[in-house]
Amino acid sequence: DAMVIQNPRYQVTQFGKPVTLSCSQTLNHNVMYWYQQKSSQAPKLLFHYYDKDFNNEADTPDNFQSRRPNTSFCFLDIRSPGLGDAAMYLCATSKGLGTTNEQFFGPGTRLTVL
Amino acid sequence: AQKVTQAQTEISVVEKEDVTLDCVYETRDTTYYLFWYKQPPSGELVFLIRRNSFDEQNEISGRYSWNFQKSTSSFNFTITASQVVDSAVYFCALSEAYSGAGSYQLTFGKGTKLSVIP
Repeated sequence: DAMVIQNPRYQVTQFGKPVTLSCSQTLNHNVMYWYQQKSSQAPKLLFHYYDKDFNNEADTPDNFQSRRPNTSFCFLDIRSPGLGDAAMYLCATSKGLGTTNEQFFGPGTRLTVL
Repeated sequence: AQKVTQAQTEISVVEKEDVTLDCVYETRDTTYYLFWYKQPPSGELVFLIRRNSFDEQNEISGRYSWNFQKSTSSFNFTITASQVVDSAVYFCALSEAYSGAGSYQLTFGKGTKLSVIP
């Protein structure tokens, strides 16, 4: 089945140690998104790629970076994780931009920072 | 600016009861989309419905139904004859035609945690 896959499902890192989260999709969608969801809160958009065009949300910290080497894969890099970065990170895809384009979400990666 | 309010933080019902999850939104746009997503304990967000601002017709899908009322800026979700498998966090979300800065982001409410007790 076509889907959005995130690896790993659970990631533990140490304070200040760089970490990379992975997302892949078999939907051949043009747009890939990264959301941060802290406990008992709504998902918050960090950034998205439309093809190779990167769009950063205004309030996304510089500590968060992303790479999209090809259509199928997108990575979230946290350069120096702090305790406040512990959260669920959700990857999503959509065929295009715009309100009619439904976003398909992966299962998320739960990040713990020690 | 757009905003979505889900006033109910947590709801518990006994299996087979009906339950309604409330969603109130704010937007200055005349063109927008409303969504409901389900987030089970496994974590992924599951799309349930999308409704555009020009279509106020209510929708029913099995045990699920949605009531969209522009006059009160509400998009409520009702589960009929609830089941244990309905236990999850449910998010209402809004997307305007253009959110600025090149993004078409979904603005989520804070979610309502539904627990269905056997």
